[in-house]
Amino acid sequence: GAVVSQHPSRVICKSGTSVKIECRSLDFQATTMFWYRQFPKKSLMLMATSNEGSKATYEQGVEKDKFLINHASLTLSTLTVTSAHPEDSSFYICSARDGRGKDTQYFGPGTRLTVL
Amino acid sequence: GDSVTQMEGPVTLSEEAFLTINCTYTATGYPSLFWYVQYPGEGLQLLLKATKADDKGSNKGFEATYRKETTSFHLEKGSVQVSDSAVYFCAAGSARQLTFGSGTQLTVLP
Repeated sequence: GAVVSQHPSRVICKSGTSVKIECRSLDFQATTMFWYRQFPKKSLMLMATSNEGSKATYEQGVEKDKFLINHASLTLSTLTVTSAHPEDSSFYICSARDGRGKDTQYFGPGTRLTVL
Repeated sequence: GDSVTQMEGPVTLSEEAFLTINCTYTATGYPSLFWYVQYPGEGLQLLLKATKADDKGSNKGFEATYRKETTSFHLEKGSVQVSDSAVYFCAAGSARQLTFGSGTQLTVLP
């Protein structure tokens, strides 16, 4: 149980285009989902926290107009990187909070974004 | 806010060697403590957790004990395998908010 999927696993796009990454909790309802960014050989940096049906809460320094987050249902959150640039290339990981009993965050497999 | 300090890597061990990865934390209150593992090209998997002082989390031969007096949560395994090669992250907090350490790369040689 407690599986989180991400799609796509890898994406390559041209500079200036937008890319959407989906995060789904497959076997539980997630009232809260989190988006992280991981640079090579670095730890995870929390970008934003999203609650179903409300606006995401962004961490300091994260541009909300560039990283659009939508949490439309209890099992789906999307991150859209708008007008992507090479410096946005990174590994993006989502997690979903399982509030049933164990109250744990479960992580998706990550999405490797490369902007040319 | 919370902070987590992890032993810097990389760590290279021979198969069947004993593993310790140190982790200490600072926090207001009493956070839950976690170890996550990340295999190459993948996301994080929860390895084990402990929610209160003196709790021991264990999974797949790995163990860590929540030590309030030393604010530590060191990860140990008695006999590592090649398949344990990965990056290990210590984290503190709760399901609402996690703070991660910098990660420790472990390589186990046959």
